Amino acid sequence: EDQVTQSPEALRLQEGESSSLNCSYTVSGLRGLFWYRQDPGKGPEFLFTLYSAGEEKEKERLKATLTKKESFLHITAPKPEDSATYLCAVQAFGTGANSKLTFGKGITLSVRP
Amino acid sequence: DTAVSQTPKYLVTQMGNDKSIKCEQNLGHDTMYWYKQDSKKFLKIMFSYNNKELIINETVPNRFSPKSPDKAHLNLHINSLELGDSAVYFCASSQDLGGVRAAFFGQGTRLTVV
Repeated sequence: EDQVTQSPEALRLQEGESSSLNCSYTVSGLRGLFWYRQDPGKGPEFLFTLYSAGEEKEKERLKATLTKKESFLHITAPKPEDSATYLCAVQAFGTGANSKLTFGKGITLSVRP
Repeated sequence: DTAVSQTPKYLVTQMGNDKSIKCEQNLGHDTMYWYKQDSKKFLKIMFSYNNKELIINETVPNRFSPKSPDKAHLNLHINSLELGDSAVYFCASSQDLGGVRAAFFGQGTRLTVV
């Protein structure tokens, strides 16, 4: 069974203090790894898809990287508006629409001004 | 302009009642999903429909019945609601891009059963 573990559960940073969020996964064959951002009371918002080990994607202060066993979401010089829960999900190889996303429990990030 | 919209946003109801949640997507995607997020914020898939056909049914009690009248709509009907059904339910949709399916989510429906 596919598994996704995210750590730490919660992270408190000072504004400008860079850090990384970890997502470890076990999957029979990785089709894609996804990062989402979820604000309180809202649905998950898609950030990135990573396909293969060594790949990196960037968006503003966020950079996602992927190895064969884990992914990191690096946050550079975070601002209070980066405070949210960050979710990691994997899609295993499957037959088209049978491929579902398996989510981790998320990392709640708080950035203090 | 909302890509995936679901109604209602909040639903408070008594045990034993039957309720429905509606979802619509205007992204032209071919697959729609229902996910459940429990009190610990864990998101778990319940169902998926591809072009109106049920594809995934993840050991959900048969009190939950999804219905897809067309590929842009997926509704969730719940019979005989129980306290344990209280959660946030998210609708999502996706499109196959070379076998990869990034899901796009609605804003959620917070169901509270009292």
